[in-house]
Amino acid sequence: ETGVTQSPTHLIKTRGQQVTLRCSSQSGHNTVSWYQQALGQGPQFIFQYYREEENGRGNFPPRFSGLQFPNYSSELNVNALELDDSALYLCASSSPRGTSGDNEQFFGPGTRLTVL
Amino acid sequence: SQKIEQNSEALNIQEGKTATLTCNYTNYSPAYLQWYRQDPGRGPVFLLLIRENEKEKRKERLKVTFDTTLKQSLFHITASQPADSATYLCALDRATDSWGKLQFGAGTQVVVTP
Repeated sequence: ETGVTQSPTHLIKTRGQQVTLRCSSQSGHNTVSWYQQALGQGPQFIFQYYREEENGRGNFPPRFSGLQFPNYSSELNVNALELDDSALYLCASSSPRGTSGDNEQFFGPGTRLTVL
Repeated sequence: SQKIEQNSEALNIQEGKTATLTCNYTNYSPAYLQWYRQDPGRGPVFLLLIRENEKEKRKERLKVTFDTTLKQSLFHITASQPADSATYLCALDRATDSWGKLQFGAGTQVVVTP
């Protein structure tokens, strides 16, 4: 078990609604990345937060947005939900740059979002 | 853009045998290539990382090789056990400017039967 927690574990929304997912990073980790994993696929990088600033974004539209707080926890917000947004949303934290040689990502258990 | 290909078919293997998984990529050579294990309904768990200047890395029963000429990594599980049954994901990281913005393959499911 990593020290990364996510809430809620499951969520059901309807098209057009908005959703906020939460992530608490492992102690001491100041970088949080969010991924979307559709069924049968690998995780797709959404964006990364480092020291409360967005630090890179994957191929996702602006209705996917995020925040990182001073304690390094993070939120993922998705507006105007579409059916294709149904997926497992994963957050991953990593140690401050330069302190870990391997840059391994510590993933949380994910939030399963279903859009009807 | 970078494409990452892993065997889409499940790998069925008998306990005690060696499982070998492949990860092929196109385009740029990553600074790091990582392997993760994912169980159903759970987040991926980091297993091994290999750098572009490394040929091979081992950890207990796991071995990873990296051939930048072939643009391929092989992942081996020796003396496989039923508890090794899971989906294994390879992930690439440019690292020089990306630091953890991983690009994943779709994963290969491994089923180890007693």
